[in-house]
Amino acid sequence: SQQGEEDPQALSIQEGENATMNCSYKTSINNLQWYRQNSGRGLVHLILIRSNEREKHSGRLRVTLDTSKKSSSLLITASRAADTASYFCATDEGSSYKLIFGSGTRLLVRP
Amino acid sequence: SQTIHQWPATLVQPVGSPLSLECTVEGTSNPNLYWYRQAAGRGLQLLFYSVGIGQISSEVPQNLSASRPQDRQFILSSKKLLLSDSGFYLCAWSPGRLTTNEKLFFGSGTQLSVL
Repeated sequence: SQQGEEDPQALSIQEGENATMNCSYKTSINNLQWYRQNSGRGLVHLILIRSNEREKHSGRLRVTLDTSKKSSSLLITASRAADTASYFCATDEGSSYKLIFGSGTRLLVRP
Repeated sequence: SQTIHQWPATLVQPVGSPLSLECTVEGTSNPNLYWYRQAAGRGLQLLFYSVGIGQISSEVPQNLSASRPQDRQFILSSKKLLLSDSGFYLCAWSPGRLTTNEKLFFGSGTQLSVL
């Protein structure tokens, strides 16, 4: 099953600009996570936000969570060419052991 | 520190041939283990997960099976590959229950092409 759906599917921005990606999900969750994937590689965890949190920061990353709308957003500020990757949200669907990923947003940061 | 090994990195197999992908985790005990598949340019599909030796949960009925013969070893298998089995296979582990704010650590993936 596909729990999270990212929007947009692809995003192209200039270096230095901010990038915003959105994620919507369907069921209640305990937490929501964001991961990054460079082309042809495994995923790397970026940030986790609990269901009772509304906003979280980590370096140039800012994540928001609105459980009433079942949505989250990931903001990357002052983007760099090295931020070029695919970004995925993932939720637990209330399960203790399953993490279900969305379809991802492909981000291209032009130098 | 913990590490996850997944091999091979790439694999080209004919239709109807068997498959065995192996994943091992080092530096931890009793990890939760996962197999995901990713179609080209798409999201990840959870195939199997395991919370202990011999305990396998299947998420999607298909041509694949998984086994966990040892605590830190997770194997993905097929008796006869189909064209639709092509994709990027990712193994992952977590130290505990995901609802306690645990995260997944991924291997580097296996690109499988079935021809």
